[in-house]
Amino acid sequence: NAGVTQTPKFQVLKTGQSMTLQCAQDMNHEYMSWYRQDPGMGLRLIHYSVGAGITDQGEVPNGYNVSRSTTEDFPLRLLSAAPSQTSVYFCASSPLAGLGNEQFFGPGTRLTVL
Amino acid sequence: AQSVTQPDIHITVSEGASLELRCNYSYGATPYLFWYVQSPGQGLQLLLKYFSGDTLVQGIKGFEAEFKRSQSSFNLRKPSVHWSDAAEYFCAVGLSNDYKLSFGAGTTVTVRA
Repeated sequence: NAGVTQTPKFQVLKTGQSMTLQCAQDMNHEYMSWYRQDPGMGLRLIHYSVGAGITDQGEVPNGYNVSRSTTEDFPLRLLSAAPSQTSVYFCASSPLAGLGNEQFFGPGTRLTVL
Repeated sequence: AQSVTQPDIHITVSEGASLELRCNYSYGATPYLFWYVQSPGQGLQLLLKYFSGDTLVQGIKGFEAEFKRSQSSFNLRKPSVHWSDAAEYFCAVGLSNDYKLSFGAGTTVTVRA
């Protein structure tokens, strides 16, 4: 199993550009989530999904959209990038039953918005 | 409000010395508790977790953590630190009926020779 994969690893955008961060998992996990990591603030939840076709907002959803058309994929879209969205983004997944809240993380995408 | 606090932003420890990282939480019920480690430029790796039962939990890489209900704490310990333990450590908390995790701000550990 590849686990949780994220692409790209690095990205530089100009203010106002749009892009999609990709996340995929091959563990058949129902729960997937996106976090952003900023210095001194830990990880903050952006959006999450408990299954295909179901998404909900986390702690910091503004400026981000998500969709979940399949169990495997959970892309994060920035419609109009802002410098405040410069961050490291992590995708995570978890079985909906069994292991409680243990989450498996991808390697991260480092995004810089100029 | 629910919260997770890691009081120490940065800890420096000598190789071979013991290490303790503090984590306090504020939740209405006993939560699920986790410690994750993030090595430089890497993603997060689970060190250990506590759901119920024995309050002293063993994890990978020689780490252990103790859940103390009376103090709302879940401190991480290692008896003898190796240079490879230099990393950022995150405490995370969740509830049994909610799959979201709340993370502390993290503690950066520097290991000196």
